[in-house]
Amino acid sequence: QTVVTQEPSLTVSPGGTVTLTCASSTGAVTSSSYPNWFQQKPGQAPRALIYSTYNKHSWTPARFSGSLLGGKAALTLSGVQPEDEAEYYCLLYFGGALVVFGGGTKLTVL
Amino acid sequence: QVQLLESGGGVVQPGRSLRLSCAASGFTFSSYGMHWVRQAPGKGLEWVAVISYDGSNMYYADSVKGRFTISRDNSKNTLYLQMNSLRPEDTAVYYCAKGIRAVAGTPDDYWGQGTLVIVSS
Repeated sequence: QTVVTQEPSLTVSPGGTVTLTCASSTGAVTSSSYPNWFQQKPGQAPRALIYSTYNKHSWTPARFSGSLLGGKAALTLSGVQPEDEAEYYCLLYFGGALVVFGGGTKLTVL
Repeated sequence: QVQLLESGGGVVQPGRSLRLSCAASGFTFSSYGMHWVRQAPGKGLEWVAVISYDGSNMYYADSVKGRFTISRDNSKNTLYLQMNSLRPEDTAVYYCAKGIRAVAGTPDDYWGQGTLVIVSS
């Protein structure tokens, strides 16, 4: 069974920088896994932020960026705002029916 | 603007069936793969199924394989999820989501607001 692992929780100060990571039980994450990142606030549907490792949607704030870091997918928030407090999910694609979400990272801005 | 509007959720007894719909607008529906993703109460996201742009390829999570069927009607711009032999563990908010590719891939783009399915006697 393929498992995708994220930090359960992280805390960052307003204006600070934080990096969330996404690891695969199968080995190093590469661009071939098309890493995606989603943001979900309480009571809302998830919103796509990053696709295919580092590509942003038109609605994605510039302070969000995606990358590969040390064998993992990474989401970096630079200049964190209070409204960035949310749950963040990564998604990796292993082909066909193997589309796996991470367990989510609860980001607290404090 | 792109809109995805799910419907068909509700309360259903274990073992019964339910069909979800997702009405799409604001984009060329027939050009993109479409997904269903679910979220149990208080839990994380779980990918459920995907269908290619023309309906020729479908893939399912192991947890629903053999019980759920994803389909689409490109003439009606609508995505479906037929759910049979429902179990209490299928209780979740079900989201439809658009991919950026014509083939299967990932739900990388727009998401709907979801419809709640509760499986309970």
